[in-house]
Amino acid sequence: AQSVSQHNHHVILSEAASLELGCNYSYGGTVNLFWYVQYPGQHLQLLLKYFSGDPLVKGIKGFEAEFIKSKFSFNLRKPSVQWSDTAEYFCAVNARGHSGGGADGLTFGKGTHLIIQP
Amino acid sequence: DAGVTQSPTHLIKTRGQQVTLRCSPISGHKSVSWYQQVLGQGPQFIFQYYEKEERGRGNFPDRFSARQFPNYSSELNVNALLLGDSALYLCASSLVNTNTGELFFGEGSRLTVL
Repeated sequence: AQSVSQHNHHVILSEAASLELGCNYSYGGTVNLFWYVQYPGQHLQLLLKYFSGDPLVKGIKGFEAEFIKSKFSFNLRKPSVQWSDTAEYFCAVNARGHSGGGADGLTFGKGTHLIIQP
Repeated sequence: DAGVTQSPTHLIKTRGQQVTLRCSPISGHKSVSWYQQVLGQGPQFIFQYYEKEERGRGNFPDRFSARQFPNYSSELNVNALLLGDSALYLCASSLVNTNTGELFFGEGSRLTVL
């Protein structure tokens, strides 16, 4: 079974600082990778995803993530954060190639609570 | 367009009772998944349904069951409630039955078991 580890549970940054949130997964096979975000009072929504191809993927609101297969990592980055980036961020993985499509669902990490101070 | 809608938004039950949670997917979406999110944890996969058939099941006891109706809405049932079942229950819909599909989440049903 796959698992996801997010290293930072709480991160506090000032506006304009650079952001990197760590995510490592454990699974021996091919995976699809996701970052979801939950803004205060809102539902979970997709930030970006990686299926194949260029390991550097770009998402909404200036976020990007890099898949490093050798390190089993999919870290989220943003060069300059804004106060509106305050949210809970979840890394998720899904094993590819299982029969039945979403048979195993997404496996989520515990989340990182990001607070941006004005 | 309406997003994924869930009801009720909040409910309180006592140990041993049964609960039914409801979910309406985004119009045109045929896949519905259920997740449990305990405070301080990420969502944990419970079930996935596609075209009214169960296509995936997470590591949850048989007290948890679900179904999908012809209009693609879904219900999650939990019997013999335990204190540990207190959580936010999330429903997510997707257009296709594939693990590459984007999930669209509802705002959840918060269950408290006393």
